[in-house]
Amino acid sequence: EVQLLESGGGLVQPGGSLRLSCVASGVTFSSYVMNWVRQAPGKGPEWVSGISDSGASTYYADSVKGRFTISRDNSKNTLYLQMNSLRAEDTALYYCAKILAAGTLDMNFDSWGQGTLVTVSS
Amino acid sequence: EIVLTQSPATLSLSPGERATLSCRASQSVSSYLAWYQQKPGQAPRLLIYDASNRATGIPARFSGSGSGTDFTLTISSLEPEDFAVYYCQQRVIWPPLTFGGGTRVEIK
Repeated sequence: EVQLLESGGGLVQPGGSLRLSCVASGVTFSSYVMNWVRQAPGKGPEWVSGISDSGASTYYADSVKGRFTISRDNSKNTLYLQMNSLRAEDTALYYCAKILAAGTLDMNFDSWGQGTLVTVSS
Repeated sequence: EIVLTQSPATLSLSPGERATLSCRASQSVSSYLAWYQQKPGQAPRLLIYDASNRATGIPARFSGSGSGTDFTLTISSLEPEDFAVYYCQQRVIWPPLTFGGGTRVEIK
């Protein structure tokens, strides 16, 4: 069974930084594109960023481009999201999500963690 | 960016009834559309991918149809555990991947 466990969320002031982590188990982590998807309170999901299985290619939503950096360490089965210059509108539950098919860019999210809450407030 | 519009916003039905949820795309997404179910306090769960393929472990009462810009998720006979919020998501043109605004299926 695939398990994804996020950590690193918390309360941060506007302009601050946080680094989220997601540890995967029960899956050949290095075979899958991984993503971060966030959900603000009472809102629908919003895709934030994705990274290829090797880590060579990264993808971002315009709302976070230039402020957030996605990365992965396949030796540690871990996905990261470095978030800088945080804004109030970044407040959300951040999920890591694995795609369904290994070795593809078919972005169907079949496994999700339980999320880590990021609150940006003074 | 492709905008996905879901309707209705809320669907009030009784257990055993048929639910029909709609997702309309601002431009063609071919068949590259997925449906997710989300219950309170839980992460979204993949139900349907590529318009009509059920994900592993999803009951046969869930079915998806459509192509191009108009898609439908049908729950043939609502079970108590099906009352939740449902989202569609496209993957044809990205970034960004986009989700719809959701349809809440509530008990009448």
